[in-house]
Amino acid sequence: DAGVTQSPTHLIKTRGQQVTLRCSPKSGHDTVSWYQQALGQGPQFIFQYYEEEERQRGNFPDRFSGHQFPNYSSELNVNALLLGDSALYLCASSLDLTSGNTIYFGEGSWLTVV
Amino acid sequence: RKEVEQDPGPFNVPEGATVAFNCTYSNSASQSFFWYRQDCRKEPKLLMSVYSSGNEDGRFTAQLNRASQYISLLIRDSKLSDSATYLCVVNTNTGGFKTIFGAGTRLFVKA
Repeated sequence: DAGVTQSPTHLIKTRGQQVTLRCSPKSGHDTVSWYQQALGQGPQFIFQYYEEEERQRGNFPDRFSGHQFPNYSSELNVNALLLGDSALYLCASSLDLTSGNTIYFGEGSWLTVV
Repeated sequence: RKEVEQDPGPFNVPEGATVAFNCTYSNSASQSFFWYRQDCRKEPKLLMSVYSSGNEDGRFTAQLNRASQYISLLIRDSKLSDSATYLCVVNTNTGGFKTIFGAGTRLFVKA
């Protein structure tokens, strides 16, 4: 049973570029959340997808957008990259968070913006 | 005020010591609570859920005090392998369901 998988694991982008990160949830999970974790900080909630719709969003600008596909996999897109977007991006999946189920993380995508 | 606040770290303790981490949350309607462990440059992993009745898993004990909006994690007989960052996590459902992480408390266990 595969856990949460993310790709790519590491990438380097230039300021102003766009990036797409991908996530496949744990088998049986229908809810995907994305988090940004800067060095020395806890994960910050970006947004959550359920049934292919953004159900909840954190305090992130519109440059951050996402999508969930019918197979529950998800993408995170960041446009007009800034140096401050450099961070570990974590995808987490669960079985319908509203029931308080535990979330499981992928290994993350390390993004460096230069 | 942050939604979830944790003890500032780092905690430096010798092997065998008992160490306690504290966490407070601001939303009284929060529904579920967890402790996650994060090793350096790795993803967070669930350590244990936290219940009002308290729960224990080997050397680890978690407690929840809803009246005080306070969560704790106690680690007994610390091992070198316990060195990590411990994240307090709170699920809330006010204006939509969210999982909120504390900034984490770094623990160093030394020989």
